[in-house]
Amino acid sequence: GAVVSQHPSRVICKSGTSVKIECRSLDFQATTMFWYRQFPKQSLMLMATSNEGSKATYEQGVEKDKFLINHASLTLSTLTVTSAHPEDSSFYICSARSGANTIYFGEGSWLTVV
Amino acid sequence: GQQVMQIPQYQHVQEGEDFTTYCNSSTTLSNIQWYKQRPGGHPVFLIQLVKSGEVKKQKRLTFQFGEAKKNSSLHITATQTTDVGTYFCAGYNYGQNFVFGPGTRLSVLP
Repeated sequence: GAVVSQHPSRVICKSGTSVKIECRSLDFQATTMFWYRQFPKQSLMLMATSNEGSKATYEQGVEKDKFLINHASLTLSTLTVTSAHPEDSSFYICSARSGANTIYFGEGSWLTVV
Repeated sequence: GQQVMQIPQYQHVQEGEDFTTYCNSSTTLSNIQWYKQRPGGHPVFLIQLVKSGEVKKQKRLTFQFGEAKKNSSLHITATQTTDVGTYFCAGYNYGQNFVFGPGTRLSVLP
């Protein structure tokens, strides 16, 4: 079964609104979670690394104020897409590190901004 | 920074044929992981290779880590339609994050 749960799996929102996506590690504590964006038929693009209790580390080119990441507990990280626009429509996927090097991915969230 | 490349980008095979995807890193890696992503799904961890020259098998899948720990390969023997998907490698160096390759998309024709 899934060890990392992501919610919602699909969301449609109006342009200008904000959307929150949750990523939960179900049976382990994840001090580090990662957020990716994946365009159709392309690879995973790392957006940011989320560390529990501290600020997220964003990759170059990713707007911190647009993609707000919060890692308030060892089992939950959230990604909030603020003032969403149609170009933000994408597949967003999180992963969590268990132990030294094992990474589990969430099921992903399809965001459509209309 | 570290770059991870994969070839080929696409591969179409007839069911029963073999398939190989190659992963190359610009830097020496601590370890490498392989993932499979089915169409419409999320990446699923397949295996991790740590040792130089390591070879691991999972049924029809054979994974190899190069002697220099800069390249890796995934070989599927006698492909089946269930093998369809995109295969990603991800290279890791201590103190850094995993860097994913662009993936190889496998199509299997019945």
